[in-house]
Amino acid sequence: EDKVVQSPLSLVVHEGDTVTLNCSYEVTNFRSLLWYKQEKKAPTFLFMLTSSGIEKKSGRLSSILDKKELFSILNITATQTGDSAIYLCAVVVESEKLVFGKGTKLTVNP
Amino acid sequence: KAGVTQTPRYLIKTRGQQVTLSCSPISGHRSVSWYQQTPGQGLQFLFEYFSETQRNKGNFPGRFSGRQFSNSRSEMNVSTLELGDSALYLCASSLQGTYNEQFFGPGTRLTVL
Repeated sequence: EDKVVQSPLSLVVHEGDTVTLNCSYEVTNFRSLLWYKQEKKAPTFLFMLTSSGIEKKSGRLSSILDKKELFSILNITATQTGDSAIYLCAVVVESEKLVFGKGTKLTVNP
Repeated sequence: KAGVTQTPRYLIKTRGQQVTLSCSPISGHRSVSWYQQTPGQGLQFLFEYFSETQRNKGNFPGRFSGRQFSNSRSEMNVSTLELGDSALYLCASSLQGTYNEQFFGPGTRLTVL
């Protein structure tokens, strides 16, 4: 059974801290890995990763994939209260089918 | 441009009834995916449609079905509702499919009593 595991499940930090969110996976047919941010209801896209070792960066957020060790990390530097959200990792397995992790709930306190 | 819209936003049904949810994708997007989100299971893939064809489906019983129309609008139907079907149902649209950036709608909150 395809599995995506995110850790930690929950994290509380202070503004300005740097956080690292983890996503490991065990799937039979890996196509790509996606990160989404969910603040209220609709998740919003952050990154898509298909190749190992190539860092994707957007402002204070960055992510990298390790296909040998089957994991990805999402880094957020200089966190702000607006970063408080649930961060979802998903793996595309076979045609169009996604498997999501349970998410990491990040709370950034002022 | 307008985002993904879902109707209705909230729905209350009783066990045994059936329900139809609607999703209108972003103009030009031909891929529509449906997801169920619950506190216990998280976000789970239901199915994906592209140009009126279902390309894949998740591990849900046959009570969950969907379709896509020629204008890319999609509907999801759940028959013989069970208490465990209470969830937030999200749809997402994209140009090509789930491996690309998807744009999610606000969701339909279904409560089964």
